[in-house]
Amino acid sequence: KAGVTQTPRYLIKTRGQQVTLSCSPISGHRSVSWYQQTPGQGLQFLFEYFSETQRNKGNFPGRFSGRQFSNSRSEMNVSTLELGDSALYLCASSSGLAITYEQYFGPGTRLTVT
Amino acid sequence: QKEVEQNSGPLSVPEGAIASLNCTYSDRVSQSFFWYRQYSGKSPELIMSIYSNGDKEDGRFTAQLNKASQYVSLLIRDSQPSDSATYLCAVIPNDYKLSFGAGTTVTVRA
Repeated sequence: KAGVTQTPRYLIKTRGQQVTLSCSPISGHRSVSWYQQTPGQGLQFLFEYFSETQRNKGNFPGRFSGRQFSNSRSEMNVSTLELGDSALYLCASSSGLAITYEQYFGPGTRLTVT
Repeated sequence: QKEVEQNSGPLSVPEGAIASLNCTYSDRVSQSFFWYRQYSGKSPELIMSIYSNGDKEDGRFTAQLNKASQYVSLLIRDSQPSDSATYLCAVIPNDYKLSFGAGTTVTVRA
C-alpha cells in the first residue's frame, strides 16, 4: 500500500509570493490534516479536511488556506509569504472515521522564504 | 498551560538499557494517545497508539496510559543506537486534531 505523498519536497520562495503544496493520502483514507513544524514552535496543527469539508482549523492567519478534492487529495495555499513561514509542512492521512484514528505523515515539504 | 507536555531532554541512555519517556496532557476528556518517532530531517513515524488505561506492548516498545493522572509514557527496552531520535507525544482531545508535545530527544550510546 502506497504511503502519503507530498509535492514538492523542497521549495524556495520570496516574501510576498504565494505557494501551493499538495498531498495525496493513503488509498482509502478520507481525512487529510496539515501541520507546520518549526524548531521554535514544534508541530502545530493548521487544518483538517474530511470528505472535501474543513472539519477542524488551528490558530493560523487567513493567509493559510486549504482544500480537498473528491479523490481525497488535498492542497494547502499560503499567500503573501513571510519570512516566518519558512518551515517543514507536513500532511497526515487518516481514515478519519473514528476518534481513535491514527494519522500517518508524508515526507513533508520544506519551504524556505527569502 | 500547554495541552501536551513532555519531560525535557535530551535523554541519553547506554545501549541495552531502558529509555523512559513521559508525557502529561491537560484536557481531561482526551481519548486517543500516540507516540511518534522522528529522525533528524525526516517526518514523524507512528510507533504506538493507546486508548485505554494500562499497558500496551509492541516489540521493544511499551506505552502506558493513566487517564486519572492524565499521564502517558513510553518505554523502550533494550535500546539500540537506531532508537536515537526525537519522540513526540500526541493527544486527540475531543475533536480530530492532534496536539503534540515538544518532543524528547533520545540518544542511545553504543
